[in-house]
Amino acid sequence: DAGITQSPRYKITETGRQVTLMCHQTWSHSYMFWYRQDLGHGLRLIYYSAAADITDKGEVPDGYVVSRSKTENFPLTLESATRSQTSVYFCASSDLGTASKAPYGYTFGSGTRLTVV
Amino acid sequence: RKEVEQDPGPFNVPEGATVAFNCTYSNSASQSFFWYRQDCRKEPKLLMSVYSSGNEDGRFTAQLNRASQYISLLIRDSKLSDSATYLCAVTYTNAGKSTFGDGTTLTVKP
Repeated sequence: DAGITQSPRYKITETGRQVTLMCHQTWSHSYMFWYRQDLGHGLRLIYYSAAADITDKGEVPDGYVVSRSKTENFPLTLESATRSQTSVYFCASSDLGTASKAPYGYTFGSGTRLTVV
Repeated sequence: RKEVEQDPGPFNVPEGATVAFNCTYSNSASQSFFWYRQDCRKEPKLLMSVYSSGNEDGRFTAQLNRASQYISLLIRDSKLSDSATYLCAVTYTNAGKSTFGDGTTLTVKP
């Protein structure tokens, strides 16, 4: 099916474990993003990617690692999970658009609810 | 001060009411503006892009005021189904990274 999918939908892990959240999009959008959403903080950008093999830090990158070897995939890894990383994680994608096209917004995945115990 | 600020509400309005939300941004170089809708525990969904000339989509009207650095969303004839959190987003390059406001919660009551 076309779209953007995240997996898993729910994850419980222990402090100190490595966790990888998956994100896959079928549109060949250039841009992909990872946000976390917490009560009182709204959506905060963790990492983003403008194209395959190009990634950059967002507002809250510490403790996270990303890669983008293929345009369609953008996994997010928590190297050593901490309780403060308990959150809802959203992946999103967007196309560059052109000068003659209206600006594009994001399409979000359905999110991963991560609990670190 | 946050880069993008919204009144968190909540806004509680009766069906049929007109309600308006504002969103202010601090970076005058901001280029693209959007409104998203987020239902409880679900992903945000793009509601409207906001153009300099203003734009309308049915009961929804979005406007941009670059001089005062704010965008607005007007909802006319509110429906129960409009109850949600509305997020504004600002980007600095087309389709580049966006900064989101924390959202404004709307509850439409019978």
